[in-house]
Amino acid sequence: DAMVIQNPRYQVTQFGKPVTLSCSQTLNHNVMYWYQQKSSQAPKLLFHYYDKDFNNEADTPDNFQSRRPNTSFCFLDIRSPGLGDAAMYLCATRLSGQGNTEAFFGQGTRLTVV
Amino acid sequence: ELKVEQNPLFLSMQEGKNYTIYCNYSTTSDRLYWYRQDPGKSLESLFVLLSNGAVKQEGRLMASLDTKARLSTLHITAAVHDLSATYFCAALGSSNTGKLIFGQGTTLQVKP
Repeated sequence: DAMVIQNPRYQVTQFGKPVTLSCSQTLNHNVMYWYQQKSSQAPKLLFHYYDKDFNNEADTPDNFQSRRPNTSFCFLDIRSPGLGDAAMYLCATRLSGQGNTEAFFGQGTRLTVV
Repeated sequence: ELKVEQNPLFLSMQEGKNYTIYCNYSTTSDRLYWYRQDPGKSLESLFVLLSNGAVKQEGRLMASLDTKARLSTLHITAAVHDLSATYFCAALGSSNTGKLIFGQGTTLQVKP
């Protein structure tokens, strides 16, 4: 059974039209990550939550926001998508602490901006 | 700031040959991850390495970690076509915030 679920798998949005991507997990992990991955590039960390603490990367555009209403859910909001925001968006979770190892990834949401 | 570098970035090899992918990271890291990614897909976890000298093996892939040198390796033994994919290493920052930072990736092409 999938443990980190991203919805939708594919999203087409219009230039400038706000869009929200979602991530849910059944693992009760306290750390959640959002990555942007463009074609033939490495995943780029946008931000992450450590428990309720939000950590924004310095180079993440203001156009990108995130919400984590509870442990299980996390959302990525793109307020005004541009053509350059077309990418695969990946959510990952991890349980912090000694000996807790795996970081699990969802299946990703492929965003197309038209 | 934690930075992760892989080399080579592209590797074309014949079936049956051995090769090693290298992953260097810039600051102390709590653990090192290796992932596989097929085109258009998400990341599949291969290995997690926690401590100095850790070695893990799965099939034709073996990963090791040298925390003193800040170096991890992914060794491929007797490559087969099914191993063709992009391989990423990722290092976990040692601060309480727990950033997970990826290397550039190594695209492996195994030719018959």
